[in-house]
Amino acid sequence: DIQMTQSPSSLSASVGDRVTITCRASQGINNDLAWFQHKPGKAPKSLIYAASSLQSGVPSKFSGSRSGTDFTLTISSLQPEDFATYYCQQYNTYPLTFGGGTKVEIK
Amino acid sequence: QVQFVQSGTEVKKPGASVKVSCEASGYTFISYAMHWVRQAPGQRLEWMGWINPGNGNTKYSQKFQGRVIITRDISASIAYMELSSLRSEDTAVYYCVRDKSTVANVFDFWGQGTVVTVSS
Repeated sequence: DIQMTQSPSSLSASVGDRVTITCRASQGINNDLAWFQHKPGKAPKSLIYAASSLQSGVPSKFSGSRSGTDFTLTISSLQPEDFATYYCQQYNTYPLTFGGGTKVEIK
Repeated sequence: QVQFVQSGTEVKKPGASVKVSCEASGYTFISYAMHWVRQAPGQRLEWMGWINPGNGNTKYSQKFQGRVIITRDISASIAYMELSSLRSEDTAVYYCVRDKSTVANVFDFWGQGTVVTVSS
């Protein structure tokens, strides 16, 4: 199975901060990488697919990029509604696999 | 708008089976694959499999092969996930997740989740 290693596992940030989360795949997955946001008790929300394409309705403060097998999710200016756990997921190879999550907390 | 209504909380004994439903609305049910994903307490999300509602084709994670069956009722726009031979490690929140296409493996909309607890 392809292992997805996400870092950091948690971070504290302030409103207005620029936040970067990284996900590394254990082997090449092309651009077959998605990012999700999950708040407790709510349905997860899909943010990005194909490494850098925004899902419909997702604000442009979210962006994604790729360098080899390293992928990055950036939130340009953190807002109160952005405090959540973020997950990456590869869909290049079965079984589809997820990163361990990054919890973004208020500093 | 795309919406899913998942069935309610389940409590099962080890060895039993559970069947979780996911009623879809707001789109053409047969045009998009449906995946099932679970998250056990303290664990990462885990993909279980998908169904193409249009033709009934399925694909399962090898981890669950032989224990999971995903079906659908086209007339009611409902997808089902049945997991058998339950053990304590199957305690988790189970989500249905729509694919952006018939089978692109790109998720777009998620259900709210169904809590399944396996305990003697």
